[in-house]
Amino acid sequence: DIRMTQSPASLSASLGETVNIECLASEDIYSDLAWYQQKPGKSPQLLIYNANSLQNGVPSRFSGSGSGTQYSLKINSLQSEDVATYFCQQYNNYPLTFGSGTKLEIK
Amino acid sequence: EVKLVEYGGGLVQPGASLRLSCEASGFTFSDFYMEWIRQAPGKGLEWIAASRNKANDYSTVYSASVKDRFTISRDTYKSILYLQMNTLKPEDTAIYYCARASIPPFDYWGQGVMVTVSS
Repeated sequence: DIRMTQSPASLSASLGETVNIECLASEDIYSDLAWYQQKPGKSPQLLIYNANSLQNGVPSRFSGSGSGTQYSLKINSLQSEDVATYFCQQYNNYPLTFGSGTKLEIK
Repeated sequence: EVKLVEYGGGLVQPGASLRLSCEASGFTFSDFYMEWIRQAPGKGLEWIAASRNKANDYSTVYSASVKDRFTISRDTYKSILYLQMNTLKPEDTAIYYCARASIPPFDYWGQGVMVTVSS
Protein backbone atom coordinates (compact mmCIF):
# COMPACT_ATOMS: atom_id res chain seq x y z
CA ASP A 1 0.00 0.00 0.00
CA ILE A 2 1.14 3.58 -0.66
CA ARG A 3 1.62 5.49 2.57
CA MET A 4 0.87 9.22 2.59
CA THR A 5 2.71 11.21 5.26
CA GLN A 6 1.15 14.63 5.75
CA SER A 7 2.61 17.54 7.75
CA PRO A 8 2.10 19.45 9.86
CA ALA A 9 -0.72 17.83 11.84
CA SER A 10 -1.94 21.26 12.90
CA LEU A 11 -1.27 24.80 11.87
CA SER A 12 -2.18 28.19 13.26
CA ALA A 13 -1.82 31.26 11.06
CA SER A 14 -3.04 34.84 10.87
CA LEU A 15 -5.55 36.22 8.40
CA GLY A 16 -3.84 37.24 5.18
CA GLU A 17 -0.88 34.92 5.72
CA THR A 18 0.32 32.21 3.33
CA VAL A 19 0.39 28.62 4.57
CA ASN A 20 1.87 25.43 3.15
CA ILE A 21 0.89 21.84 3.81
CA GLU A 22 3.12 18.97 2.70
CA CYS A 23 2.40 15.42 1.66
CA LEU A 24 5.02 12.74 1.09
CA ALA A 25 4.15 9.51 -0.71
CA SER A 26 6.02 6.30 0.06
CA GLU A 27 6.55 5.76 -3.68
CA ASP A 28 6.18 7.69 -6.91
CA ILE A 29 2.50 8.47 -7.52
CA TYR A 30 3.03 10.31 -10.82
CA SER A 31 1.05 13.40 -9.76
CA ASP A 32 -2.09 11.33 -9.03
CA LEU A 33 -2.63 13.49 -5.98
CA ALA A 34 -5.69 15.33 -4.73
CA TRP A 35 -6.30 17.77 -1.87
CA TYR A 36 -9.58 18.00 0.03
CA GLN A 37 -10.95 20.50 2.53
CA GLN A 38 -13.26 19.32 5.28
CA LYS A 39 -15.06 21.81 7.47
CA PRO A 40 -16.44 20.65 10.84
CA GLY A 41 -19.55 18.50 10.44
CA LYS A 42 -19.35 18.58 6.65
CA SER A 43 -18.27 16.24 3.86
CA PRO A 44 -14.85 16.69 2.28
CA GLN A 45 -14.67 18.93 -0.79
CA LEU A 46 -12.18 18.55 -3.62
CA LEU A 47 -9.78 21.48 -3.99
CA ILE A 48 -6.95 20.26 -6.22
CA TYR A 49 -6.45 17.21 -8.46
CA ASN A 50 -3.59 15.96 -10.63
CA ALA A 51 -1.35 17.66 -8.06
CA ASN A 52 -1.88 21.18 -9.45
CA SER A 53 -5.27 21.46 -11.19
CA LEU A 54 -7.80 23.68 -9.43
CA GLN A 55 -11.28 22.18 -9.13
CA ASN A 56 -14.09 24.30 -10.61
CA GLY A 57 -15.37 26.88 -8.16
CA VAL A 58 -12.37 26.74 -5.81
CA PRO A 59 -10.80 30.16 -5.07
CA SER A 60 -7.52 30.83 -6.84
CA ARG A 61 -5.74 31.45 -3.52
CA PHE A 62 -5.49 27.65 -3.31
CA SER A 63 -2.74 26.03 -5.37
CA GLY A 64 -0.98 22.69 -5.52
CA SER A 65 2.46 21.65 -6.65
CA GLY A 66 4.83 18.73 -6.61
CA SER A 67 5.78 15.58 -8.44
CA GLY A 68 7.13 12.13 -7.77
CA THR A 69 6.74 11.57 -4.05
CA GLN A 70 6.58 15.17 -2.73
CA TYR A 71 3.54 17.41 -2.94
CA SER A 72 2.28 20.57 -1.31
CA LEU A 73 -0.84 22.66 -0.94
CA LYS A 74 -0.46 26.43 -0.64
CA ILE A 75 -3.12 28.79 0.60
CA ASN A 76 -2.45 32.46 -0.09
CA SER A 77 -4.11 35.34 1.79
CA LEU A 78 -5.68 33.13 4.45
CA GLN A 79 -9.37 33.85 5.02
CA SER A 80 -11.54 32.97 8.02
CA GLU A 81 -13.56 30.54 5.89
CA ASP A 82 -10.39 28.50 5.29
CA VAL A 83 -10.57 27.10 8.84
CA ALA A 84 -10.85 23.38 8.16
CA THR A 85 -8.94 20.11 8.06
CA TYR A 86 -7.07 19.40 4.83
CA PHE A 87 -6.31 15.93 3.48
CA CYS A 88 -4.13 14.74 0.65
CA GLN A 89 -5.03 11.56 -1.23
CA GLN A 90 -3.24 9.42 -3.81
CA TYR A 91 -5.23 7.77 -6.56
CA ASN A 92 -2.37 6.19 -8.49
CA ASN A 93 -3.17 2.76 -7.17
CA TYR A 94 -5.67 0.86 -5.08
CA PRO A 95 -6.02 0.84 -2.16
CA LEU A 96 -6.54 4.60 -2.37
CA THR A 97 -4.92 6.23 0.62
CA PHE A 98 -5.22 9.53 2.43
CA GLY A 99 -2.85 11.59 4.50
CA SER A 100 -3.72 11.91 8.19
CA GLY A 101 -4.89 15.50 7.83
CA THR A 102 -3.81 19.02 8.76
CA LYS A 103 -6.06 21.05 11.02
CA LEU A 104 -5.83 24.75 10.13
CA GLU A 105 -6.83 27.39 12.63
CA ILE A 106 -6.71 31.17 12.65
CA LYS A 107 -4.33 32.75 15.15
CA GLU B 1 -27.18 19.08 -10.35
CA VAL B 2 -25.18 16.11 -9.05
CA LYS B 3 -26.55 14.76 -5.77
CA LEU B 4 -25.56 11.81 -3.60
CA VAL B 5 -27.76 10.93 -0.64
CA GLU B 6 -26.81 8.13 1.75
CA TYR B 7 -29.14 6.37 4.13
CA GLY B 8 -29.44 3.17 6.12
CA GLY B 9 -27.09 3.86 8.99
CA GLY B 10 -27.80 3.26 12.64
CA LEU B 11 -26.80 1.50 15.84
CA VAL B 12 -26.14 -2.23 15.62
CA GLN B 13 -24.55 -4.86 17.82
CA PRO B 14 -21.20 -6.47 17.03
CA GLY B 15 -21.63 -9.32 14.55
CA ALA B 16 -24.73 -7.81 12.99
CA SER B 17 -25.31 -6.78 9.38
CA LEU B 18 -26.40 -3.48 7.84
CA ARG B 19 -26.92 -2.24 4.29
CA LEU B 20 -26.16 1.33 3.32
CA SER B 21 -27.63 2.95 0.23
CA CYS B 22 -26.52 5.95 -1.78
CA GLU B 23 -29.01 7.47 -4.21
CA ALA B 24 -27.35 9.24 -7.10
CA SER B 25 -28.88 11.81 -9.43
CA GLY B 26 -27.83 14.45 -11.91
CA PHE B 27 -25.35 12.35 -13.87
CA THR B 28 -25.08 9.11 -15.87
CA PHE B 29 -24.52 6.63 -13.06
CA SER B 30 -23.02 3.92 -15.26
CA ASP B 31 -20.26 6.19 -16.56
CA PHE B 32 -18.58 6.71 -13.20
CA TYR B 33 -16.68 4.79 -10.58
CA MET B 34 -18.55 4.96 -7.28
CA GLU B 35 -16.78 4.48 -3.98
CA TRP B 36 -17.27 4.30 -0.22
CA ILE B 37 -15.03 6.14 2.20
CA ARG B 38 -15.43 6.17 5.98
CA GLN B 39 -14.30 8.37 8.82
CA ALA B 40 -14.15 7.12 12.40
CA PRO B 41 -15.14 9.75 15.00
CA GLY B 42 -12.44 12.42 15.20
CA LYS B 43 -10.20 10.52 12.78
CA GLY B 44 -9.07 10.73 9.17
CA LEU B 45 -10.50 9.37 5.94
CA GLU B 46 -10.30 5.71 5.00
CA TRP B 47 -11.19 4.44 1.51
CA ILE B 48 -12.94 1.07 1.77
CA ALA B 49 -14.56 0.00 -1.52
CA ALA B 50 -14.91 0.86 -5.19
CA SER B 51 -17.33 -0.12 -7.95
CA ARG B 52 -15.79 0.61 -11.31
CA ASN B 53 -17.95 1.91 -14.16
CA LYS B 54 -19.84 0.00 -16.87
CA ALA B 55 -16.85 0.19 -19.23
CA ASN B 56 -14.96 -1.78 -16.60
CA ASP B 57 -17.79 -4.26 -16.01
CA TYR B 58 -18.62 -2.73 -12.62
CA SER B 59 -15.68 -4.67 -11.15
CA THR B 60 -15.03 -4.13 -7.45
CA VAL B 61 -12.06 -3.44 -5.18
CA TYR B 62 -11.89 -3.52 -1.38
CA SER B 63 -9.57 -2.43 1.37
CA ALA B 64 -8.03 -5.19 3.45
CA SER B 65 -9.97 -3.99 6.50
CA VAL B 66 -13.38 -4.82 4.97
CA LYS B 67 -12.60 -7.47 2.34
CA ASP B 68 -14.70 -10.60 2.79
CA ARG B 69 -17.12 -8.77 5.12
CA PHE B 70 -18.42 -5.89 3.00
CA THR B 71 -19.88 -5.99 -0.51
CA ILE B 72 -20.31 -3.01 -2.81
CA SER B 73 -22.93 -3.22 -5.54
CA ARG B 74 -25.20 -1.05 -7.63
CA ASP B 75 -28.70 -0.98 -9.01
CA THR B 76 -28.06 0.69 -12.35
CA TYR B 77 -31.75 1.16 -13.11
CA LYS B 78 -32.43 3.01 -9.89
CA SER B 79 -28.97 4.69 -9.75
CA ILE B 80 -28.37 3.42 -6.22
CA LEU B 81 -25.03 2.32 -4.79
CA TYR B 82 -25.08 -0.16 -1.93
CA LEU B 83 -22.71 -1.28 0.77
CA GLN B 84 -23.68 -4.55 2.43
CA MET B 85 -21.82 -4.78 5.72
CA ASN B 86 -21.66 -8.14 7.52
CA THR B 87 -19.99 -9.27 10.72
CA LEU B 88 -19.71 -5.69 11.93
CA LYS B 89 -17.07 -4.85 14.51
CA PRO B 90 -16.79 -1.89 16.92
CA GLU B 91 -13.92 -0.57 14.79
CA ASP B 92 -16.36 -0.19 11.87
CA THR B 93 -18.01 2.67 13.77
CA ALA B 94 -17.72 5.67 11.47
CA ILE B 95 -19.44 8.10 9.18
CA TYR B 96 -19.76 6.42 5.79
CA TYR B 97 -19.61 8.56 2.66
CA CYS B 98 -20.31 7.59 -0.89
CA ALA B 99 -18.44 9.54 -3.53
CA ARG B 100 -18.33 9.80 -7.28
CA ALA B 101 -14.89 9.12 -8.70
CA SER B 102 -13.57 10.35 -12.00
CA ILE B 103 -10.76 12.53 -13.21
CA PRO B 104 -10.90 14.56 -11.00
CA PRO B 105 -11.24 11.98 -8.26
CA PHE B 106 -14.01 12.17 -5.63
CA ASP B 107 -15.52 15.31 -7.09
CA TYR B 108 -18.87 14.79 -5.36
CA TRP B 109 -19.56 13.39 -1.90
CA GLY B 110 -22.73 12.53 -0.08
CA GLN B 111 -23.59 14.03 3.28
CA GLY B 112 -22.52 10.86 5.08
CA VAL B 113 -24.38 8.39 7.27
CA MET B 114 -23.40 7.31 10.77
CA VAL B 115 -22.88 3.65 11.64
CA THR B 116 -22.34 2.76 15.29
CA VAL B 117 -21.37 -0.78 16.27
CA SER B 118 -21.77 -1.27 19.99
CA SER B 119 -23.32 -3.66 22.48
